[in-house]
Amino acid sequence: GENVEQHPSTLSVQEGDSAVIKCTYSDSASNYFPWYKQELGKGPQLIIDIRSNVGEKKDQRIAVTLNKTAKHFSLHITETQPEDSAVYFCAASIFGNEKLTFGTGTRLTIIP
Amino acid sequence: KAGVTQTPRYLIKTRGQQVTLSCSPISGHRSVSWYQQTPGQGLQFLFEYFSETQRNKGNFPGRFSGRQFSNSRSEMNVSTLELGDSALYLCASSNPQETQYFGPGTRLLVL
Repeated sequence: GENVEQHPSTLSVQEGDSAVIKCTYSDSASNYFPWYKQELGKGPQLIIDIRSNVGEKKDQRIAVTLNKTAKHFSLHITETQPEDSAVYFCAASIFGNEKLTFGTGTRLTIIP
Repeated sequence: KAGVTQTPRYLIKTRGQQVTLSCSPISGHRSVSWYQQTPGQGLQFLFEYFSETQRNKGNFPGRFSGRQFSNSRSEMNVSTLELGDSALYLCASSNPQETQYFGPGTRLLVL
């Protein structure tokens, strides 16, 4: 089955700097890669997703890049703000198959 | 549109008991998936229901079961609870080939 590795497990950045979280996946059949943000006491919230027919997608301060050959994808957050502090999860699946395989999460702390 | 709702939000049970958790999907969504979240194992897929049929199943023992009703609401049941079943149980709803949206979860503590 699919296996998703995520790094780093913790990340601290100064407010205003950029943060990058990286994930690798094992199943070449996976073609859908969402990123979720989870705040304390809440369920995961989708922040951005990408399908394998594109290499990059951007939404304001958040971007995701995908390298299908290397089987890795990354989340980029620019101009970080205190409200970006949370745990971020990457996931992979075959689009249309609702089973998401999650990475182990990255605890992002923004230092004011 | 109201989001995914899960009840109860918190639950305390003792070993050997059984528990039923409920999930109401976003209006119009027909697929409901369940996940278990623990500090040690992270987020793991339990099963997915669509139109009252289980379509996908994760690697959990038969003590974990679920069902879906005609209005797309779903329940999951865990029988003969073990200490290791203590976790946050998350429900997500979607339509086929669309984004999954998660509820706030039910936190289960087994004593």
